[in-house]
Amino acid sequence: EAGVTQFPSHSVIEKGQTVTLRCDPISGHDNLYWYRRVMGKEIKFLLHFVKESKQDESGMPNNRFLAERTGGTYSTLKVQPAELEDSGVYFCASSPSFRGPAYFGPGTRLTVL
Amino acid sequence: SQKIEQNSEALNIQEGKTATLTCNYTNYSPAYLQWYRQDPGRGPVFLLLIRENEKEKRKERLKVTFDTTLKQSLFHITASQPADSATYLCALDMSDNNDMRFGAGTRLTVKP
Repeated sequence: EAGVTQFPSHSVIEKGQTVTLRCDPISGHDNLYWYRRVMGKEIKFLLHFVKESKQDESGMPNNRFLAERTGGTYSTLKVQPAELEDSGVYFCASSPSFRGPAYFGPGTRLTVL
Repeated sequence: SQKIEQNSEALNIQEGKTATLTCNYTNYSPAYLQWYRQDPGRGPVFLLLIRENEKEKRKERLKVTFDTTLKQSLFHITASQPADSATYLCALDMSDNNDMRFGAGTRLTVKP
């Protein structure tokens, strides 16, 4: 069974540019989560999808971040325009059930210069 | 304020010994508590989940305890091996939220 995949693995952009991160969850997992870890800090929740619906987006830092999950399969997280403080590692995770183990992808390391 | 504290940033032990990692929390009421392992450049990998009404959970060389009175979870690795070297994260799964809250992690190094 394939795990959670994320693309790209690294992205280096300049302040003001747009970046789109992609996550492909494990097939059949209705729950999809985005998390972020900035340097030296703990992993923080961004949002949670159940199928194509946003269940909770309370962790999204501001309206420069837009997440979508069309058709309830893969998800994208767009940052527009990117700021320096957006640098960090963005993790996606999926889960077959609402409460239970989450299966994480390898992360996308975003560097905003 | 709400806090999740893992005992130390780094823990060094000798191979064969038992590693004990601590996760303390304040002003949370988690329904579940989970432990993850993270290796450099990789995403966290699920290890164990323990519910608020469970005292202890075991899996092979791993043992987790959960004391909701003390607001603490202990994570033990017995007969530790150098391959156990990694960062270990505790995560609180709330009953009223959708998200998990992570501790900052403890970096465990097991020396041969």
